[in-house]
Amino acid sequence: DIQMTQSPASLSASLGETVSIECLASEGISNDLAWYQQKSGKSPQLLISAASRLHDGVPSRFSGSGSGTRYSLKISGMQPEDEADYFCQQSHKFPLTFGSGTKLEIK
Amino acid sequence: EVQLVESGGGLVQPGRSLKLSCLVSGFTFSDYGMHWIRQTPGKGLEWVASVSSRDIYIYYADAVKGRFTISRDSAKNTLDLLMTSLRSEDTALYYCARLKTVGIRSYFDYWGRGAMVTVSS
Repeated sequence: DIQMTQSPASLSASLGETVSIECLASEGISNDLAWYQQKSGKSPQLLISAASRLHDGVPSRFSGSGSGTRYSLKISGMQPEDEADYFCQQSHKFPLTFGSGTKLEIK
Repeated sequence: EVQLVESGGGLVQPGRSLKLSCLVSGFTFSDYGMHWIRQTPGKGLEWVASVSSRDIYIYYADAVKGRFTISRDSAKNTLDLLMTSLRSEDTALYYCARLKTVGIRSYFDYWGRGAMVTVSS
């Protein structure tokens, strides 16, 4: 199975600050990576697919990058509504696997 | 509007069975792969099972293989998950999710709100 190591587990940021979350895959996943945002009590929502493709309606302050085994999600200018949990997920091989999540809070 | 609505969750004793259903609307059901994914505070998000578009492929996580069965009824627009020989570690919030495939890339573009399953005596 492909293990997805996500870091940090938690993060606090001030409004307007730029934050980054990383996922390291245990083997190359050829950009078959998505990022999801999950707000408290809600189901996950797609932010980014194919490592860097912004999903329809997602604010442009969100961006994704990476290749091979290393991927990152960046939020350029933290907003109050960005307080949430964030997960990465690989779809390169079954079983599909998720990162353990990053809890992002406002400082 | 795409909608996925899970039902069938509840409290069940270890060793017993439970069936979850996901009623979908707003898209051509048979054109999409459909998945069950569960979430717990301790283990996070865990993929459980999937059925591909046109029901060509079915896959299960090792943790549920031989105990869970995924199926779809395209006439009723429902995705089911029959869970047997339930264990305490199956306690989780179960989501159904639609897999969107664009070229060689796939991702979950719609999720239901989830159905809570608690396995306890």
